[in-house]
Amino acid sequence: LAKTTQPISMDSYEGQEVNITCSHNNIATNDYITWYQQFPSQGPRFIIQGYKTKVTNEVASLFIPADRKSSTLSLPRVSLSDTAVYYCLVGDGNDMRFGAGTRLTVKP
Amino acid sequence: EAQVTQNPRYLITVTGKKLTVTCSQNMNHEYMSWYRQDPGLGLRQIYYSMNVEVTDKGDVPEGYKVSRKEKRNFPLILESPSPNQTSLYFCASSLFGPDSDTQYFGPGTRLTVL
Repeated sequence: LAKTTQPISMDSYEGQEVNITCSHNNIATNDYITWYQQFPSQGPRFIIQGYKTKVTNEVASLFIPADRKSSTLSLPRVSLSDTAVYYCLVGDGNDMRFGAGTRLTVKP
Repeated sequence: EAQVTQNPRYLITVTGKKLTVTCSQNMNHEYMSWYRQDPGLGLRQIYYSMNVEVTDKGDVPEGYKVSRKEKRNFPLILESPSPNQTSLYFCASSLFGPDSDTQYFGPGTRLTVL
């Protein structure tokens, strides 16, 4: 089972770009990389998913290097409402494990 | 509207009194799962189900039971709740499986066992 490692916390200011990196050295060939966002007392919400290279949607970009041993979630121009915990998940069959996540605090 | 619903949202009970937390999804998803979330421990998977009548243990299954008699419902059963099961519980579903599919999470059930 691929284990993920993320920074425990990060601070940023409104309008800045935030990059959160996740390492997953034991990622398997068939694994996808998925990021979720969670606000207090709410269920996690899907942000983005990728397999390799770069994926972009309306809220974020996901960069995955060729060896796939890490991934970087990029949030452009964050606002106060982006303050949340961000989880990186790497699939291994059906047993998905959330790590402790990265607590992002966006300051005015 | 596509959604995962859980009931009840809040529950206070006493040790040993059997309870059931219901989970229902309206997206015809095959995969459903239950998580518990505790401070400092993140989200931990309790049980998951690949399809009707197919269930399997996650990381922390002790003290819990589940059933999947129909596709849309996946109830979590605590036969004899104990205080260490006080937690925030989330149900989730995805079309086939979480490693290549988006998981949709319910709003959570906050359980307190006295």
